[in-house]
Amino acid sequence: ETGVTQSPTHLIKTRGQQVTLRCSSQSGHNTVSWYQQALGQGPQFIFQYYREEENGRGNFPPRFSGLQFPNYSSELNVNALELDDSALYLCASSFRPTALSSYNEQFFGPGTRLTVL
Amino acid sequence: AQSVTQPDIHITVSEGASLELRCNYSYGATPYLFWYVQSPGQGLQLLLKYFSGDTLVQGIKGFEAEFKRSQSSFNLRKPSVHWSDAAEYFCAVGSNFGNEKLTFGTGTRLTIIP
Repeated sequence: ETGVTQSPTHLIKTRGQQVTLRCSSQSGHNTVSWYQQALGQGPQFIFQYYREEENGRGNFPPRFSGLQFPNYSSELNVNALELDDSALYLCASSFRPTALSSYNEQFFGPGTRLTVL
Repeated sequence: AQSVTQPDIHITVSEGASLELRCNYSYGATPYLFWYVQSPGQGLQLLLKYFSGDTLVQGIKGFEAEFKRSQSSFNLRKPSVHWSDAAEYFCAVGSNFGNEKLTFGTGTRLTIIP
């Protein structure tokens, strides 16, 4: 069983640029969540995708957007990068049997470290 | 809105000594509670979770946690720490309203001294 993988491992961008981060969910999982972890902080929920639809969003501006593909992998896109976007971006996957099912355990990937200069 | 407080930013413990990391949460309903561990440059590994039932939960690596509803707490304990336990520990509360959103505390950094 393959766990959650993320690419790239590290990334350096400059202010105003756009970035795309990728996540492959664990085999059999249909839900992906993205979190931002700034240095010295706990992870903060950005959004979740369930069966290719956004299923909840945290307090992040619209320049943070995402996609989930039919194979349940996912992308996080950030436009107009700002210095404060420098962080570790974590992806987590889970299996949600139905849209109304209760909490399902998430499994985290190793993260992508984004540095904005 | 749900929230988690970890009052201790940094704790230093001698190897072999006992450990307790504090966590207080705020949530309107019965919470789903978690403890995660993060080693430098790594992702998050789940230590244990509480969904319902027995308020004392056992996890991996010899960790346990106790859910106390009256105190809104979910403290993590280990009777004897090992040098390999040095890491960042995060307490989190999970949503039970349609998605798996986790709200994390700011973490407690654990240092082990010989």
